[in-house]
Amino acid sequence: NAGVTQTPKFRVLKTGQSMTLLCAQDMNHEYMYWYRQDPGMGLRLIHYSVGEGTTAKGEVPDGYNVSRLKKQNFLLGLESAAPSQTSVYFCASSLPLLRGTYEQYFGPGTRLTVT
Amino acid sequence: ELKVEQNPLFLSMQEGKNYTIYCNYSTTSDRLYWYRQDPGKSLESLFVLLSNGAVKQEGRLMASLDTKARLSTLHITAAVHDLSATYFCAVDGTNAGKSTFGDGTTLTVKP
Repeated sequence: NAGVTQTPKFRVLKTGQSMTLLCAQDMNHEYMYWYRQDPGMGLRLIHYSVGEGTTAKGEVPDGYNVSRLKKQNFLLGLESAAPSQTSVYFCASSLPLLRGTYEQYFGPGTRLTVT
Repeated sequence: ELKVEQNPLFLSMQEGKNYTIYCNYSTTSDRLYWYRQDPGKSLESLFVLLSNGAVKQEGRLMASLDTKARLSTLHITAAVHDLSATYFCAVDGTNAGKSTFGDGTTLTVKP
């Protein structure tokens, strides 16, 4: 199993450009998440999905859109990138166990710089 | 709104010493997680704590949960350099599938 993979690993964008980050998981997990991590800070939830075809906003959703057309994929889009979106983006997935825990499995991260 | 606070945020230890990291949270929950992040790397799960009084141990790390006090501790015994990393606690709130993360504790173990 590859687990959770993210594409690309690094990207540099100019202000106003758009891009899509791809997250894929092969563990048949129901839940998927997108976080951003800024230097010296914790994780902030951008959007998440509790199943194919569903998405929900997290703490910091502005400037981002997501789609979950297939269970194994979760896409994060930036329509018009801004320097404030320079960050490391992590995707994660979870499969609620019998007692409903949401232990998360993380991808390797995408380092995005917006100039 | 669920808030999760860790302290300390930075911890420098000598090898062989013991120390405890604290994770306090603001609303009722009985599901708490500890994750580890090595510099420049992703996060990996360390412990899942599911009930009041739960205790989990792996190697030199031991985690516990007191749901009444809304407190979890991560105790480090006889620290070694390999434990240098950032440790995050995360707590499940009322929204299914959402965990709130603390800001992390960056641990540096010096020889």
